[in-house]
Amino acid sequence: KAGVTQTPRYLIKTRGQQVTLSCSPISGHRSVSWYQQTPGQGLQFLFEYFSETQRNKGNFPGRFSGRQFSNSRSEMNVSTLELGDSALYLCASSLIVDADIQYFGAGTRLSVL
Amino acid sequence: GESVGLHLPTLSVQEGDNSIINCAYSNSASDYFIWYKQESGKGPQFIIDIRSNMDKRQGQRVTVLLNKTVKHLSLQIAATQPGDSAVYFCAEKGGAGGTSYGKLTFGQGTILTVHP
Repeated sequence: KAGVTQTPRYLIKTRGQQVTLSCSPISGHRSVSWYQQTPGQGLQFLFEYFSETQRNKGNFPGRFSGRQFSNSRSEMNVSTLELGDSALYLCASSLIVDADIQYFGAGTRLSVL
Repeated sequence: GESVGLHLPTLSVQEGDNSIINCAYSNSASDYFIWYKQESGKGPQFIIDIRSNMDKRQGQRVTVLLNKTVKHLSLQIAATQPGDSAVYFCAEKGGAGGTSYGKLTFGQGTILTVHP
């Protein structure tokens, strides 16, 4: 069974641009969570989606948004990029919402110049 | 405010030694705990988990100990191998009724280096 797939693996953007990251969960998994990982703040929860609905949200500004499609695939969008948005963005999937074990993808490394 | 880089704790061991990685958690209402391993260039990988109604759980070469009195979690790795070199994260999940219900909160991580 394929794992969580995130695309692209690497991205370089400039300040003010917007970016969309994609995540395909493990087949059969219906919940997708997103995390931001930086050297300064560690791993921080962004949001969780289940059945195309956002079920949980972390403490990030409204520039960070996401959505989930009917096939459980998810995208997250960051608008008006700032230098501080440079990070590894990780997607994790689980069978159901609030499931215990989340399985992570390899992440998308975003660099904002 | 100014962002300060995390200074991750580090643990260096010789191949074959046992390793103990510690984690202090903050939320006394957390009812589930999990350890992840993250290798360079990869996402976190599940190692072992434990519920708050247990104080010990064993897996293959790994044991997790939970002390709810002092809100402390530890991961023991037996016969540590070079392939165990990675960053290890503990994470806690809030129990029902709390503001952090269902959310996974990660610790800062510990860098484990295993020398051959």
